[in-house]
Amino acid sequence: LAKTTQPISMDSYEGQEVNITCSHNNIATNDYITWYQQFPSQGPRFIIQGYKTKVTNEVASLFIPADRKSSTLSLPRVSLSDTAVYYCLVGAADGNKLVFGAGTILRVKS
Amino acid sequence: ETGVTQTPRHLVMGMTNKKSLKCEQHLGHNAMYWYKQSAKKPLELMFVYSLEERVENNSVPSRFSPECPNSSHLFLHLHTLQPEDSALYLCASSQESNQPQHFGDGTRLSIL
Repeated sequence: LAKTTQPISMDSYEGQEVNITCSHNNIATNDYITWYQQFPSQGPRFIIQGYKTKVTNEVASLFIPADRKSSTLSLPRVSLSDTAVYYCLVGAADGNKLVFGAGTILRVKS
Repeated sequence: ETGVTQTPRHLVMGMTNKKSLKCEQHLGHNAMYWYKQSAKKPLELMFVYSLEERVENNSVPSRFSPECPNSSHLFLHLHTLQPEDSALYLCASSQESNQPQHFGDGTRLSIL
């Protein structure tokens, strides 16, 4: 199973762009990379998913280099409400072998 | 509102009790999951059901027994639990097993 490594925590200020990098050196050929956001006392919420290169949606971008051994979640212009734990998830295409990372605590300050 | 509802939200039980956690989704998803989230630990995948058949059991102790009677409901039956089983138990569902998952807000379980 591909193990992931993320920074334990990050601090930012409102309006800044935040980039959180996840390392997954043992990622398998058929693994997807998915990021989730979790607030206290709630379940994780899906943010974005990708396989290679770049994926963008209305809330974030995901950058994946050619070797796929890492990925970077980019949050443009964060606000206080983006303070949460962000999880990098690497899983096989069949979805069964899912491995959550330890998560990154993002604190956004005013 | 996530579309995945878990009940109860909080549960306190003794080690000799038997209780069940319930998860319900009306998203039309075919896959459902149970996770355990302990303090300061990553989420641990416990069970995966796809089209009501169990497809994954990650070496979970037998005191945890899942049941998936139909594609909308998932249960986790608990008996003779240990204090270290105190955690947040999360249910999730996805359209197919390789699609992003929708999580409920969990059941906070405390074992006395």
